[in-house]
Amino acid sequence: DQQVKQNSPSLSVQEGRISILNCDYTNSMFDYFLWYKKYPAEGPTFLISISSIKDKNEDGRFTVFLNKSAKHLSLHIVPSQPGDSAVYFCAASVTNSGYALNFGKGTSLLVTP
Amino acid sequence: EAGVVQSPRYKIIEKKQPVAFWCNPISGHNTLYWYLQNLGQGPELLIRYENEEAVDDSQLPKDRFSAERLKGVDSTLKIQPAELGDSAVYLCASSLGGGDQETQYFGPGTRLLVL
Repeated sequence: DQQVKQNSPSLSVQEGRISILNCDYTNSMFDYFLWYKKYPAEGPTFLISISSIKDKNEDGRFTVFLNKSAKHLSLHIVPSQPGDSAVYFCAASVTNSGYALNFGKGTSLLVTP
Repeated sequence: EAGVVQSPRYKIIEKKQPVAFWCNPISGHNTLYWYLQNLGQGPELLIRYENEEAVDDSQLPKDRFSAERLKGVDSTLKIQPAELGDSAVYLCASSLGGGDQETQYFGPGTRLLVL
């Protein structure tokens, strides 16, 4: 039972444009959300997180938006750079439940020059 | 600061053989996780340790998988005997522990191929 869904397996964006990666979840108990970036043959690298008490968190070129009513979050990358090409995983957890992360299947982002 | 260290990075074994993976978490991190990642999927939790105590091992296939974290620092995950379906990437992660919402930091993983 996939509780975190990333419905777009891949996304291609031109350098300098905005990349928008989407994530939906089904468990209304999730209250902490994270995005990880993964290069081939490496482990996931933490990118940005957001608590359910917020609807936006920004860190440099990366912004995560959370829409609790729609059970949807998105990661915006502006401007996109070729080095951003990687697989992006959305993850969610329930505070005080052991912090086990529930991951989506990932979206492969390709930023072309 | 050193990140999460895992070894080996790659392992090829024949089915029915045993295999072990080692993880050293970030210094000072009390919580350690082992995840399994199959091709085209996100990581899935196998076991979580708080110091040396396994506090969540509900997803660990205990008939063939075992794990230990004897001194509350580094950890070993073992499979005995390995099956073809165990071919995957085994990821170790760590977090500080004790907080409400914590970020988990992952190691590079061990890529296992069972022939």
